[in-house]
Amino acid sequence: EAGVAQSPRYKIIEKRQSVAFWCNPISGHATLYWYQQILGQGPKLLIQFQNNGVVDDSQLPKDRFSAERLKGVDSTLKIQPAKLEDSAVYLCASSLGLAGGGQETQYFGPGTRLLVL
Amino acid sequence: GEDVEQSLFLSVREGDSSVINCTYTDSSSTYLYWYKQEPGAGLQLLTYIFSNMDMKQDQRLTVLLNKKDKHLSLRIADTQTGDSAIYFCAETDLGGYNKLIFGAGTRLAVHP
Repeated sequence: EAGVAQSPRYKIIEKRQSVAFWCNPISGHATLYWYQQILGQGPKLLIQFQNNGVVDDSQLPKDRFSAERLKGVDSTLKIQPAKLEDSAVYLCASSLGLAGGGQETQYFGPGTRLLVL
Repeated sequence: GEDVEQSLFLSVREGDSSVINCTYTDSSSTYLYWYKQEPGAGLQLLTYIFSNMDMKQDQRLTVLLNKKDKHLSLRIADTQTGDSAIYFCAETDLGGYNKLIFGAGTRLAVHP
């Protein structure tokens, strides 16, 4: 079974430029998550989708970050304009998204490492 | 709000046991997780424990949960050099649709 795919793996941009990351979750997974992992810290959830709807974007800096999952499968995360403090690893994860709650394992992709100069 | 804390660094000799500790604040957490991250890689789920359990064992891994003290530990028996990585403790946020709250991670270094 293929895992969560992300691209690009690395990106270097200058501040005030824009950047986009792509994620393809595990086939059949309804829930998709974007996490930001700053060096030396644990991942922090930015946004969570259930199919193509947003269920949690409370920690997404909406003035510069946006994300979409138009057909309920792939997702893109965009930063425009980027700031120095956006340098981090952006991790995508997916889970089955079962109704009724219960334990659900999140499977993580390899991440996109962003450096803003 | 929720908070998860871990010690930042642990060094052990190959063949010894490693114990990584974690404390959490959300008493309503139902599941607590241990993830492993190797350099340049994503997070790999090692194990999880339901909050009504005290202990869970899975091959070389033993998870202990003290719900009263909100303390979680991961013991790795017979630690190998391949176990060198960063280990993250995480709790679920019941109000957040399975959202994970992570600690800062414990870097485990295994030396000969």
